[in-house]
Amino acid sequence: EAGVTQFPSHSVIEKGQTVTLRCDPISGHDNLYWYRRVMGKEIKFLLHFVKESKQDESGMPNNRFLAERTGGTYSTLKVQPAELEDSGVYFCASSHYYPEAFFGQGTRLTVV
Amino acid sequence: GIQVEQSPPDLILQEGANSTLRCNFSDSVNNLQWFHQNPWGQLINLFYIPSGTKQNGRLSATTVATERYSLLYISSSQTTDSGVYFCAVGGGLRSGGYQKVTFGTGTKLQVLP
Repeated sequence: EAGVTQFPSHSVIEKGQTVTLRCDPISGHDNLYWYRRVMGKEIKFLLHFVKESKQDESGMPNNRFLAERTGGTYSTLKVQPAELEDSGVYFCASSHYYPEAFFGQGTRLTVV
Repeated sequence: GIQVEQSPPDLILQEGANSTLRCNFSDSVNNLQWFHQNPWGQLINLFYIPSGTKQNGRLSATTVATERYSLLYISSSQTTDSGVYFCAVGGGLRSGGYQKVTFGTGTKLQVLP
């Protein structure tokens, strides 16, 4: 069984540009989460999808961030326009009925 | 929400030494996981351990759910163990039934050759 897959593994963009991160959850997992760790701080929750619906987006920092989950399958997280403080590692996780969340290996975003 | 504290915040070891990392949490949980974030930023799942004890090679973990803490043991440490260790908990009574996890503050480990 494939795990949670994130693309790209690393992205370097200039301030003001747009970047789209993708997450493919484990097949059949209804729950999908985005987290991020910026500037060496704690890993913070961004949002939670149940299938294609946003269940909780209380962690989204501002309206430059847009998350979607097409048909309840893969998810994208778009940052537009990117700022320097957005640099960090973005993680995606998925889960099914069980409490355990399965994490991808992350996308390292560098904004220069 | 659930509060998660880890100690120590920083740890420097000589290769071959043993260490114990601690995670305290403020509420009942049905999910506790330990992760290792390596120097390249990748998050590696170590243990899913809401209660009891598990071992995987040089690593082992124990969670005492009734006392709201978990311990991660690293024996015979190697330089490749360097990075940040996070515990993450979820499913507490006040979580609204979500399965999202809350991460601890992390322990930054450096193993010297």
